[in-house]
Amino acid sequence: AQSVTQLGSHVSVSEGALVLLRCNYSSSVPPYLFWYVQYPNQGLQLLLKYTSAATLVKGINGFEAEFKKSETSFHLTKPSAHMSDAAEYFCALRNTGNQFYFGTGTSLTVIP
Amino acid sequence: SQTIHQWPATLVQPVGSPLSLECTVEGTSNPNLYWYRQAAGRGLQLLFYSVGIGQISSEVPQNLSASRPQDRQFILSSKKLLLSDSGFYLCALRRASGGTDTQYFGPGTRLTVL
Repeated sequence: AQSVTQLGSHVSVSEGALVLLRCNYSSSVPPYLFWYVQYPNQGLQLLLKYTSAATLVKGINGFEAEFKKSETSFHLTKPSAHMSDAAEYFCALRNTGNQFYFGTGTSLTVIP
Repeated sequence: SQTIHQWPATLVQPVGSPLSLECTVEGTSNPNLYWYRQAAGRGLQLLFYSVGIGQISSEVPQNLSASRPQDRQFILSSKKLLLSDSGFYLCALRRASGGTDTQYFGPGTRLTVL
């Protein structure tokens, strides 16, 4: 069975501090993994994706994520938080089928 | 590149009334299309997906239905809305991009059932 777990439904960081949003997955086959960002009352925007080409994936807005098979993790990081990073973040998984499996989301608050 | 339109952007409906939400896409043909619902403070729930005209797969039994009358049109409907149908409805398409199929989302429709 495939699933995605996001640890921490709410994360708060100070402006300029490191952002770390956690995602663990469960998959019976090598997965494709994604991070999306959602601003209020908008659709989801793709931040980055892992396709097995490289374990460290760089995305838009300075975000990156590292695929760690041994830990079944795909955590999202950004070295320095900006106020505009405040949003909801979703981790997602796709295997070989038609479906995508989404985590329940992590709301990021950036404190000035 | 493809564009996803959703109409309307917001909707307030009384309990028991019908519903029709529309999703249309541009810039691609024969897309796989998806309807998700996002309830307040919760993640995404896959409702339906479609791999082609007239082909609908339902993921969650409920009072909602979906139809795909045209290649680039995906409609979400209900005959009688429930309070629990309130939420943010997102249409998405699946497209091959950069080594894997990726989902791209429309702007969403905010539905409030009173």
